[in-house]
Amino acid sequence: DAKTTQPNSMESNEEEPVHLPCNHSTISGTDYIHWYRQLPSQGPEYVIHGLTSNVNNRMASLAIAEDRKSSTLILHRATLRDAAVYYCILSRSGGSNYKLTFGKGTLLTVNP
Amino acid sequence: GAVVSQHPSWVICKSGTSVKIECRSLDFQATTMFWYRQFPKQSLMLMATSNEGSKATYEQGVEKDKFLINHASLTLSTLTVTSAHPEDSSFYICSARGQVGTGELFFGEGSRLTVL
Repeated sequence: DAKTTQPNSMESNEEEPVHLPCNHSTISGTDYIHWYRQLPSQGPEYVIHGLTSNVNNRMASLAIAEDRKSSTLILHRATLRDAAVYYCILSRSGGSNYKLTFGKGTLLTVNP
Repeated sequence: GAVVSQHPSWVICKSGTSVKIECRSLDFQATTMFWYRQFPKQSLMLMATSNEGSKATYEQGVEKDKFLINHASLTLSTLTVTSAHPEDSSFYICSARGQVGTGELFFGEGSRLTVL
């Protein structure tokens, strides 16, 4: 599986935007970029995913570099409830049994 | 969105006993479910892929005789930790994909196992 690299931790202030980077220089053409987050003592929660184009949903935006070797998860206005570990994961498309392999993720701290 | 539920959310057992954890997809059918384990301050580690009606596929290093997985129906997969020992104490999390091709994986709330 292609690997992703994320900063171990980041800090943000409440109500401010947060940009969480992810490098995936060995990404292949069929790899989707997924983002999940995990709040303390809970299972992970889907945030967003994309292939080539930037994506927006109610939770966040995903900006994908033109060469696809990096991406950025954007939280437009951080809240205290956004404090979590954010995982950037690559996964091949298609089928119901393709698995997600989690790295260490980025621990986001949101200051009031 | 789709919901995956685990039970129990936490369990304490004596060393040498077996513990069963259930994972249910509440409003969708899941032909494939995944079981993860997470130790404190570490990331999730995939243990096995559970396929409905067939044997589970285990990741390298995971003992299939110790972690028994059964996926008897499209909405239920179970993980049994047999002859549990203190080193098996961990946070066990299951997940399922709601619909082929959507890419989104739904996770359960997790089950915290403590072996005394």
